Amino acid sequence: GENVEQHPSTLSVQEGDSAVIKCTYSDSASNYFPWYKQELGKRPQLIIDIRSNVGEKKDQRIAVTLNKTAKHFSLHITETQPEDSAVYFCAATINTGGFKTIFGAGTRLFVKA
Amino acid sequence: DTAVSQTPKYLVTQMGNDKSIKCEQNLGHDTMYWYKQDSKKFLKIMFSYNNKELIINETVPNRFSPKSPDKAHLNLHINSLELGDSAVYFCASSLGATNEKLFFGSGTQLSVL
Repeated sequence: GENVEQHPSTLSVQEGDSAVIKCTYSDSASNYFPWYKQELGKRPQLIIDIRSNVGEKKDQRIAVTLNKTAKHFSLHITETQPEDSAVYFCAATINTGGFKTIFGAGTRLFVKA
Repeated sequence: DTAVSQTPKYLVTQMGNDKSIKCEQNLGHDTMYWYKQDSKKFLKIMFSYNNKELIINETVPNRFSPKSPDKAHLNLHINSLELGDSAVYFCASSLGATNEKLFFGSGTQLSVL
């Protein structure tokens, strides 16, 4: 069935270090891969997304890479800051007679000052 | 102005009761969704509507009945509430039906006692 696996479940880094979160998806027909950030008690918010015809996308300190062959995609955050602390969700969109977004289980990122 | 607003923010009720959650978006989006986030933060699609028409019904018990009077509103009615229904329910919207760039509401914390 449709599945998105996300690792690690928890990640702790020192301020200024880089953080990497990895995801794999099961449906090779997936063509859209967003990342959402959810701060404690708040709504999930889109931070970056990538389509299947692109291998890499960057937005300031955030970058996403996609390997379609391996069905892997990753989020890279450089120069982490305490305000980056949140839960990050990867997701993949599939079309099963209607589009739906399958979310990974989330990664809780702690950035220590 | 809040883009996607849902009410109430908190809902505490007894088992067996019936309750409703309302959602409205002022973004002019065609598609709206209900997501359930459980205690482990896992986000799962429940329903999606495109221009008032049901697109996705993700094997949700029929105690849950969504209603979309127009494309700016998607309400969720839950009958005979059970303990396992306790979760945070997020409404979301997107411009089109392809699930790209979801905008989430602030969530409704439902506690069934």
